[in-house]
Amino acid sequence: GAVVSQHPSWVICKSGTSVKIECRSLDFQATTMFWYRQFPKQSLMLMATSNEGSKATYEQGVEKDKFLINHASLTLSTLTVTSAHPEDSSFYICSARAGTYEQYFGPGTRLTVT
Amino acid sequence: QKEVEQNSGPLSVPEGAIASLNCTYSDRGSQSFFWYRQYSGKSPELIMSIYSNGDKEDGRFTAQLNKASQYVSLLIRDSQPSDSATYLCAVLRGGNQFYFGTGTSLTVIP
Repeated sequence: GAVVSQHPSWVICKSGTSVKIECRSLDFQATTMFWYRQFPKQSLMLMATSNEGSKATYEQGVEKDKFLINHASLTLSTLTVTSAHPEDSSFYICSARAGTYEQYFGPGTRLTVT
Repeated sequence: QKEVEQNSGPLSVPEGAIASLNCTYSDRGSQSFFWYRQYSGKSPELIMSIYSNGDKEDGRFTAQLNKASQYVSLLIRDSQPSDSATYLCAVLRGGNQFYFGTGTSLTVIP
């Protein structure tokens, strides 16, 4: 099956700093990658959709200047949380699609901002 | 009206029984349908996809799609305690428009 990795799996940072999360498709080329956020016991919330080489499309209410997404290649997308605040603490999950319909999720990154 | 609706549960079934999970969607233009399993603290894992009306079986899992009724279901036969998780229904509409339900929590009681 298709494998998607994320790094780091967990990170603790201080308020005001920036954190970068990497998402890689390991055995396929991802035409589209998605970034989600999930708070405890809540459903997935789509943050943005990105296609390789083009700007990400952000969902309503998601600040594009705070959550910077770069889809640099067909196997790598990054999410940078800038000037992180405690309310940004969450479980961030990326997913990727090849040319098929399925969407495969990475293992997630747990961010804690102190 | 939500794009995808699921009963949040919790749904409890005894070990060995059939668990039935249901999902409805609002847009008749939806073209592809997926079931994901999410264990607590983990990311979702794709377990089934279905694209045409009828049943699709994979091991203990059977997905059923009825486009006329805008209904998709997942049956888990011979349920095991390891099946205890939240099951997410997802619908693809258009090129990249995925919509997820809020999930149904399943507990399989030994």
